[in-house]
Amino acid sequence: AQRVTQPEKLLSVFKGAPVELKCNYSYSGSPELFWYVQYSRQRLQLLLRHISRESIKGFTADLNKGETSFHLKKPFAQEEDSAMYYCAPRPYGNKLVFGAGTILRVKS
Amino acid sequence: DTEVTQTPKHLVMGMTNKKSLKCEQHMGHRAMYWYKQKAKKPPELMFVYSYEKLSINESVPSRFSPECPNSSLLNLHLHALQPEDSALYLCASSQDSGLRSPLHFGNGTRLTVT
Repeated sequence: AQRVTQPEKLLSVFKGAPVELKCNYSYSGSPELFWYVQYSRQRLQLLLRHISRESIKGFTADLNKGETSFHLKKPFAQEEDSAMYYCAPRPYGNKLVFGAGTILRVKS
Repeated sequence: DTEVTQTPKHLVMGMTNKKSLKCEQHMGHRAMYWYKQKAKKPPELMFVYSYEKLSINESVPSRFSPECPNSSLLNLHLHALQPEDSALYLCASSQDSGLRSPLHFGNGTRLTVT
């Protein structure tokens, strides 16, 4: 079945600790991959996308085609990173699907 | 203007009412989307318009009727809804329907059906 999996509903870390939010997908072809973030009381917004290979707010995501994973990482978490994070594959043009989401809670 | 604007922010309607949700963007985007988000769940795709034509309908019940009057506007007409349709309705747009075009989301309309 075609799907996207984010295995952790909640990830709680201390400020300054490394963060890894996991995402695995199973779609045929070569989907484009995105991470979206929703901060408290703010709209859902793009964090980063695979094609750009960029680092946004210290976050990076590496596509591993062998493991079909697109994990989101940050070496040192900050309190303002606390939010809901969605992994979102785009298997074909019009359709963007969302994983179940992971709540990241960064404690001081 | 780099935002997607949705109105109203909140809507309460009875099961016999007819109402509409509105979405507007002035970024020149040619693809627009409706998503439904229930509490503590991810957004679920409902409809996609590409170049003002409906390109995806995710088997949405006919009590939801989308309309794209022009490239900047997207409406969702609601009629005879059920209480389980209460949710946050999100509109989004993207430059085109290409794989690499990211979606830009509005703040949503929180709908309550009584």
